[in-house]
Amino acid sequence: DQQVKQNSPSLSVQEGRISILNCDYTNSMFDYFLWYKKYPAEGPTFLISISSIKDKNEDGRFTVFLNKSAKHLSLHIVPSQPGDSAVYFCAASVSGTYKYIFGTGTRLKVLA
Amino acid sequence: DAGVIQSPRHEVTEMGQEVTLRCKPISGHNSLFWYRQTMMRGLELLIYFNNNVPIDDSGMPEDRFSAKMPNASFSTLKIQPSEPRDSAVYFCASSPVTKGEQFFGPGTRLTVL
Repeated sequence: DQQVKQNSPSLSVQEGRISILNCDYTNSMFDYFLWYKKYPAEGPTFLISISSIKDKNEDGRFTVFLNKSAKHLSLHIVPSQPGDSAVYFCAASVSGTYKYIFGTGTRLKVLA
Repeated sequence: DAGVIQSPRHEVTEMGQEVTLRCKPISGHNSLFWYRQTMMRGLELLIYFNNNVPIDDSGMPEDRFSAKMPNASFSTLKIQPSEPRDSAVYFCASSPVTKGEQFFGPGTRLTVL
């Protein structure tokens, strides 16, 4: 039973365009969400997070949007660059706990 | 800062053999996590240690899996006996606080033939 779902296993985008990665969750207790980025042969690295008291958080080219009523979050990358090509994992947790529930990941390929 | 160190990076073994994966967390971090990554299930938490004490091992798949943290700078994940379905990438992560950002090691790719 996947509590965090990333339904698109892969996504291809042209350089300079917007990349939108989606994530859905089922547990209404989740109130803290994160995105991790993973390059081949490396461990995941933290990218951006959002608390449920917000509906948007920006960090440079990366913006995460949270729609609590739909139990949906998305990561927008604008503009996309070839170096953004990686696997992106969405994770959710109940704040104050250590337990992150990860999705299965979306492989983003940015075409030059 | 060297980051989280894992060894070996790759392990190929035969079914029934014992496998030991090793992790050195970032110095000063008091939380340590072992994860398993598979295509079907993504990243799954296997076990969580806080101050060297196992707090949550509910993700350990079965008794063939065991983990230890004898001191603040070293942890092991052991599989005995190993089975082909254990083939996956195993990550160790550490965090400076219980609910903070987790820093991942490069992973150990395990193949059980």
